[in-house]
Amino acid sequence: NAGVTQTPKFRVLKTGQSMTLLCAQDMNHEYMYWYRQDPGMGLRLIHYSVGEGTTAKGEVPDGYNVSRLKKQNFLLGLESAAPSQTSVYFCASSDWTGRGGYTFGSGTRLTVV
Amino acid sequence: AQSVTQPDIHITVSEGASLELRCNYSYGATPYLFWYVQSPGQGLQLLLKYFSGDTLVQGIKGFEAEFKRSQSSFNLRKPSVHWSDAAEYFCAVGAVTSGTYKYIFGTGTRLKVLA
Repeated sequence: NAGVTQTPKFRVLKTGQSMTLLCAQDMNHEYMYWYRQDPGMGLRLIHYSVGEGTTAKGEVPDGYNVSRLKKQNFLLGLESAAPSQTSVYFCASSDWTGRGGYTFGSGTRLTVV
Repeated sequence: AQSVTQPDIHITVSEGASLELRCNYSYGATPYLFWYVQSPGQGLQLLLKYFSGDTLVQGIKGFEAEFKRSQSSFNLRKPSVHWSDAAEYFCAVGAVTSGTYKYIFGTGTRLKVLA
C-alpha cells in the first residue's frame, strides 16, 4: 500500500539547471497537486490536475511546469532553477469529492545553489 | 476569498497536559475542514476531518476537533499530550473555487512537548 511516492527525496541543483520531480499514486485518485513548503509560509499550491491530461495553475506557478500524461503520475518540472526555488516540494492526491482529504508524499528537498 | 488562520506559530506544553490548537477560517459556506500533522522530515498525515453532522469529530492519535460555525473555528484538542505529539500541525479548509475543489492551508503551529 504505497499511497503517494515522490522521487527523488533530495536534490541539489545549480542555478539554471533543469530537473523533473515525479509523483506516483496508486489509489486511482482523480486529483493531484504539487505544493511547496517554506518556513513560516505553510503550503502553497504550485499546480494541480483534476484528471489525466489536465493541468491548472495554483497560487505560485511561475518557474514551474507540470504534466499528467497518465492518471497515476504527476510530473513537476523546473526549466531553469533559481535559488528562490529552494524548498521542500510535496505531491498530494485526492478523490474528486475532496471529503477523504489529501494523501501526501514524503516530500522532495530541493536546494538550488 | 477563503483563508485559514492559525494564530499560534509555536506552542509549548508539558507532557500529560492538555492541548488546544486554534484554527479560524473565512469562507462563505460551511467548508470541509481538516487537521494534518507533520513530523520532521515527513509528509503531512491526516488527523481528522469535518464536512457535516456532529460538530465534534474524533481523529487518530487521540485528537479531536470541534467545529463552531458562529466563531468560524475548528480547534484541535487533546486531553493529555505525549512526547511523540511534538510536530507541526496544519489546519486546512477545502472549498470549491472556480469550479474546482481545492484546499487552503494555514501556516502551521509547531508543538513542543516538555518532558
